Amino acid sequence: DGGITQSPKYLFRKEGQNVTLSCEQNLNHDAMYWYRQDPGQGLRLIYYSQIVNDFQKGDIAEGYSVSREKKESFPLTVTSAQKNPTAFYLCASITSGRAGGELFFGEGSRLTVL
Amino acid sequence: KQEVTQIPAALSVPEGENLVLNCSFTDSAIYNLQWFRQDPGKGLTSLLLIQSSQREQTSGRLNASLDKSSGRSTLYIAASQPGDSATYLCAVYTGTASKLTFGTGTRLQVTL
Repeated sequence: DGGITQSPKYLFRKEGQNVTLSCEQNLNHDAMYWYRQDPGQGLRLIYYSQIVNDFQKGDIAEGYSVSREKKESFPLTVTSAQKNPTAFYLCASITSGRAGGELFFGEGSRLTVL
Repeated sequence: KQEVTQIPAALSVPEGENLVLNCSFTDSAIYNLQWFRQDPGKGLTSLLLIQSSQREQTSGRLNASLDKSSGRSTLYIAASQPGDSATYLCAVYTGTASKLTFGTGTRLQVTL
């Protein structure tokens, strides 16, 4: 079945550690996104990528980094520079970055900083 | 800057009722609007996608309408069931930098 796989589902991090969240899709989608969701708030865009080897900062990119070496993969690294990393992270992909296709989401990764 | 608002923030209805969820947006220059469902601790599931040239889309008991000129969309749920309990979010796609703007959602509870 086609879809988006995020791992791990739950992750605990100590202060000062970098962690990487995985996002893999087999939908052959061009564009991929990372969102952050906090209780009582809407989804906020961290980074997005329209094609391989290209990505753009979203609204809250500080303290995060990404790579897009393969069409299927868009990993997100939460660095120690992110001051408040505890959140629910959602990866999404879309058929076309310009024409506006249907957006599909993974099941999310919950990061907790101890 | 595009802003998306969903009212009400929470809604509780008895099973069997028909209900309407609202989504409004400030910039009418959109490519499409999408409705999602989110269960607690889960990702978002796409329900309906309405292109800017369309007025409505239907899937089962769900019907979504779009009025671009007034910056509004509604999601109509017929004969609600307890399994419909979830948070419903709308998102608009403007094509600018391939970004979508999400509303904060309406938390729906359908009671027995």
